[in-house]
Formats: sequence, structure tokens, C-alpha cells
Amino acid sequence: AQSVAQPEDQVNVAEGNPLTVKCTYSVSGNPYLFWYVQYPNRGLQFLLKYITGDNLVKGSYGFEAEFNKSQTSFHLKKPSALVSDSALYFCAVRDIYASGGSYIPTFGRGTSLIVHP
Amino acid sequence: NAGVTQTPKFRVLKTGQSMTLLCAQDMNHEYMYWYRQDPGMGLRLIHYSVGEGTTAKGEVPDGYNVSRLKKQNFLLGLESAAPSQTSVYFCASSYSDSFYNEQFFGPGTRLTVL
Repeated sequence: AQSVAQPEDQVNVAEGNPLTVKCTYSVSGNPYLFWYVQYPNRGLQFLLKYITGDNLVKGSYGFEAEFNKSQTSFHLKKPSALVSDSALYFCAVRDIYASGGSYIPTFGRGTSLIVHP
Repeated sequence: NAGVTQTPKFRVLKTGQSMTLLCAQDMNHEYMYWYRQDPGMGLRLIHYSVGEGTTAKGEVPDGYNVSRLKKQNFLLGLESAAPSQTSVYFCASSYSDSFYNEQFFGPGTRLTVL
């Protein structure tokens, strides 16, 4: 079975400061991890993904994420936050050993990022 | 490309009424999904389809039915709406046979059941 946890409902950060949004996962095999962002009254947009290779993945809008296999984590980061980064962020995982082979992803509950001016 | 579109954007129903939500994608994706989003609950999968003519149940399928008669369309039906179905509904699509493909989401349908 696959699962993903986002331990923080909300993250507050001042503009210009670095930000981290946490995600941990559990899978039977190798994980394939995704981050999505949802701006108010919009659908989810893909930010970045980890498939294999470098543990540091770079994505859209200056975001990056670090894959840590030993800690089963895939935290989203950005060196300098912008007010416009304020949104809801979702982590998702796919397990190549998912039952039925349909590779349906599992989403976390989401973390609300608030960047203060 | 329009990507993933959803119709309607908003709807208010009375308990017991029925309605159909339409999702369309122009990316030739095999997989399509219906989710509902509720505060504090994240995204929950209702039904999904791995190709034209196929459907499967997700995490919360009760009270919903789906059809995938054409590859580009995925319909979600509520036969007898209940207040518990008040939610924001998102459709998504992705390429087939690959666990590393991201999903593309529609803009959502906000449904209120009175």
C-alpha cells in the first residue's frame, strides 16, 4: 500500500525567507513523487517530480524538492519566498508495485503556505 | 490546447435532484479521474478510467456513477444528490502506462446541495 503524509496544515514564512513544505511517504517499492500547487479557486498545477537520479529536483517557479530515501521524505523548498507563492501545496506518490498495476497516485491532505509581506 | 475543461463551473442542487458533470480533455490521455476536495480532507478519488469504455471505483464512489464513452470525455453523475455531496469536484487526466506521468487538472466544479 502507498501513503503520503503532510504533517503541517499550514506554513507561515516571511517574504524573502527560505521555505520548506514537508512530505513523507510510504511505499512497497520505489516511489515516484510529485508536488502540485493549487492557487485559490483554481485546479491543481504540476510543480515537479522525482523519478530517479539526482535527489534534488528542480521545478517550476523556482521550487525544488529533495528526495531522501532513508527518511522517506520529499520536502518542497524555495530559497526565497514570494507573496505570490501563497497557495495550497499537495504531495503525491505512486508506487510501481501498486495493486492492480493501475498506478493511481495517492495525495496528501495539502499544506497551506502563507507568505507574509 | 484547452487542456482539461469542466462543465459547469458552479451548480446548486436540491436534495434528490440529479445532475451530470462533464470533463473533457484534448491531450489524447488514456487515464481520467474524478476527485472531490473538501476542507481538511485533501483530494479523494471518486472514480477513474484507464481507457475508453472502462471505469473503476476509487476511494469514495458511493452515490456517484461515471461513464467514459469517448476517450476525451469523462462524465460524473449524481443520481440523487445529498447535502454530503456538497464539494468542489476536480477532473484530471494523464498519459497511460506510466507511473511517472503527472496529472493535468481541470479548474473544478463547485457544487452545493441544499
